[in-house]
Amino acid sequence: SQTIHQWPATLVQPVGSPLSLECTVEGTSNPNLYWYRQAAGRGLQLLFYSVGIGQISSEVPQNLSASRPQDRQFILSSKKLLLSDSGFYLCAFSRGGSNTEAFFGQGTRLTVV
Amino acid sequence: ILNVEQSPQSLHVQEGDSTNFTCSFPSSNFYALHWYRWETAKSPEALFVMTLNGDEKKKGRISATLNTKEGYSYLYIKGSQPEDSATYLCAFRISSGSARQLTFGSGTQLTVLP
Repeated sequence: SQTIHQWPATLVQPVGSPLSLECTVEGTSNPNLYWYRQAAGRGLQLLFYSVGIGQISSEVPQNLSASRPQDRQFILSSKKLLLSDSGFYLCAFSRGGSNTEAFFGQGTRLTVV
Repeated sequence: ILNVEQSPQSLHVQEGDSTNFTCSFPSSNFYALHWYRWETAKSPEALFVMTLNGDEKKKGRISATLNTKEGYSYLYIKGSQPEDSATYLCAFRISSGSARQLTFGSGTQLTVLP
C-alpha cells in the first residue's frame, strides 16, 4: 500500500536558522510530489511541485526552496528562516495519470521565533 | 492565478440537520474537482474526485455535485453528526501542466453541535 511520511511533526526554530523538512513516499514509483502551506485562516497554498527527480517548480516567490534527490523523497529547505515562514506545512503525492487524488502527510507545525 | 472560493467560511449546525456548502472555480481549462475532509490533528483525506459536468458522487450521508459550465460544486451532508465536524476543502485541477497541480480553496469549517 502507498504511504507518505513527513517529519518532524512540530518544529520551533529561531529567526535566521536553516530549515529542512523531509517527506518520503512508499509503495508507488514516480509520484508527483507537492509541498503546501496553510497560513493562519487560509486554505492550502501550493509552494512547490515535482514531476521527477531534480525537477522542481515553484508556485510562489518565497524564502524557501525544495529538492527531490530521489524518486520518492521531497525536501523543503530554507537557509535563513523568517518569522513569516511560520505555518503548517503539508507534503502530498499523487500518482501520475488522470483523476487521481492527492495523499497527504501528517504535516509539520513550524514556529519561527 | 487560479481563484477557488469556498463559502461559507465556517458553519455551525445542530446534530441531525442537513447542510451544504459551495465551491466556485474557473470554468475554463477544467480538468477535475476534488473534495477533501480535514479533521483536526489528521491529514486531509479525499472524499470525491469529479471530472464531468453533471457528476454526482455519494459516500454515505455525504454527496457532491458538479457544474463545470458555471464553475461550481456543492457538497451536501445529510443528517449531520458530530463526527462530521471538520474543514472541507475543495481543490481544482486545470487541464494544462504536466503535474496538474491542485489549487485549493480556503475551506469551510463545519462544527456539528450535539
